[in-house]
Amino acid sequence: QVQLVESGGGLVKPGGSLRLSCAASGFSFSDYYMSWIRQAPGKGLEWISYISTSGTTIYYADSVRGRFTISRDNAKNSLYLQMNSLRAEDTAVYYCAGTGKALLYKWFDPWGQGTLVTVSS
Amino acid sequence: DIQMTQSPSSVSASVGDRVTITCRASQGISSWLAWYQQKPGKAPRLLIYAASNLLSGVPSRFSGSGSGSDFTLTISCLQPEDFATYYCQQANSFPLTFGGGTKVEIK
Repeated sequence: QVQLVESGGGLVKPGGSLRLSCAASGFSFSDYYMSWIRQAPGKGLEWISYISTSGTTIYYADSVRGRFTISRDNAKNSLYLQMNSLRAEDTAVYYCAGTGKALLYKWFDPWGQGTLVTVSS
Repeated sequence: DIQMTQSPSSVSASVGDRVTITCRASQGISSWLAWYQQKPGKAPRLLIYAASNLLSGVPSRFSGSGSGSDFTLTISCLQPEDFATYYCQQANSFPLTFGGGTKVEIK
């Protein structure tokens, strides 16, 4: 079945780094644009990054630009998010999500189950 | 950036009720709007895309309408499994943005 499984979350100190991974199965990962979306505890959803099928087109939210880097490895059916210079306000559940098969279709389906990142000293 | 404003932020309703949630974009987004359902501790689930298209497998009691800057999600006959938080999302341009959410609670 279609599945996205995130990993790599955990507790990190302010200023630290973390790399999230998202493993895809059950669908043609290389055909899908992909995104990372996060949700702070008790808060709403925030899109943070997007990558095209080939990895050549990338967008970031202002809140993470310059600190986070999205990438993908289609041969490994995997999406990544390298997070540097982490701040307390980056504490959230991080979801990976498919974002359509064309740049035109920017809605999110499927979703992973999420991985919790906690930034605290 | 396009701001998405949902109302109400919460609604209390009974099983069988009709529930309507509205979403307003700060500028026109044509029909580039999606709706999601999220239950506690779970990932969001896409319900409707392109303002009015029901994702395969989503019950037909869910419907979406609107274009431009004003959109509506309607649940025609609320079921126990529909108690959740609903989010709209504009898919017109980056940065992609969500509404603040509407929590549908049991009356």
